[in-house]
Parts: sequence; structure tokens; C-alpha cells
Amino acid sequence: DQQVKQNSPSLSVQEGRISILNCDYTNSMFDYFLWYKKYPAEGPTFLISISSIKDKNEDGRFTVFLNKSAKHLSLHIVPSQPGDSAVYFCAASTNTGNQFYFGTGTSLTVIP
Amino acid sequence: DTEVTQTPKHLVMGMTNKKSLKCEQHMGHRAMYWYKQKAKKPPELMFVYSYEKLSINESVPSRFSPECPNSSLLNLHLHALQPEDSALYLCASSQELRGVTSGANVLTFGAGSRLTVL
Repeated sequence: DQQVKQNSPSLSVQEGRISILNCDYTNSMFDYFLWYKKYPAEGPTFLISISSIKDKNEDGRFTVFLNKSAKHLSLHIVPSQPGDSAVYFCAASTNTGNQFYFGTGTSLTVIP
Repeated sequence: DTEVTQTPKHLVMGMTNKKSLKCEQHMGHRAMYWYKQKAKKPPELMFVYSYEKLSINESVPSRFSPECPNSSLLNLHLHALQPEDSALYLCASSQELRGVTSGANVLTFGAGSRLTVL
């Protein structure tokens, strides 16, 4: 049973515009959420995270929003750049163990 | 050093071979992980070591045998694999923060070992 879901397998955005990637989760015990970026033939690299005690975390062009009541988080990239083209995974964890649950990924293409 | 290093990058093996994947980190992380990833799928947890002890085994077949010789090294021994085991095998590490308010427990991944079983 997939506890973390990314319902959009792909997204195309024009350079300079905003990219919005969405993620939903089902387990209300999750208290920490992360976004990873993955290029082909490489391992995922950590991008940004948010704790459940916050509803927004910003790091440069990247902002993650958390809506606990809706069990939904989103990653905003603005402005989008061609180098942002990659697969983005959201992940969730609890503080009771070392298990991270990953979504299925969204492939972002930023068109120059 | 903020890297997780995996070797080999590519491995082709027959179903009767015995081979090993290796992973090394020098970040002082005390939790180490093996994930398996197939095309267009999320990383799937296989094993977690915490303080060099196996803490999670996600019902992985015995043809995969993990080993953690010390806090910096993690191996995955492979024997009698099947073609469907072909995948990208990812090693990761993190601080061990179990029970502590989360906020810094970030997985750092290696580049992966691409395994092909013929």
C-alpha cells in the first residue's frame, strides 16, 4: 500500500515560470517530509525538507508547503531553470524509526 | 566528506555467480541503508543497519545478504540472483535520530550500483 503518492508522473514548464510538484500521504504519523531530486544514472540528492510543526520552508528558489489537514505537500520552484529537469521524489518519515517512504516520482522538464 | 561512495557502478552477473556491492561513508552516520530501485518506481527499502546492527529487513529474499563490518562500510552480498533482481541498488546513510524530534534525519544517497542479472 503506497503511503506516499505523487499523482503526476510528469510535468513540463517553461523556463522562468513556476513549477509546482504535488505529493499526498496517508499516514498521519508522518512528521518529517523531504524532497529529493534525481538525475539519470545518479542517486537521489536531498533538496529541501519540512517538519510537521511548520507549514512552509523556503530555500532559495525552492519552497515546500505542508497542509497537514489535507495530508498534502507541494514543492514550488521559481523561477524554473533547464537544470531543474530531473525526477523529483517526495519522502516521509516518522521519528520512531529509520523508515523513509518514497513517492513514485514526478519527472520535471523545464523547456528553455 | 559529505559523500556516500558505491562500488562497482555497474555489475553484470549470471544466476550462479556470487558477487558483492560495497558502500562507504565517512560522515559519522550511524544508520546505513540498502534500497532497490527499478525503472519508473520509487526507491524500495531493503535493509537498515543502526550502529552496525541489522534493525530492519523488509522481507528480502535470502539471496541478498547484507553485512556491516564497521560504522563506515556496508556490503550487500549477492548469490543465485534472478533476472528480475536487475535494478539500481542504492546505498544511503543518515544520522541515527530514532526517538528524537526529527528535523535533521536526512538520507544521503550514493550514486548507485546498476546490477544486471543474466
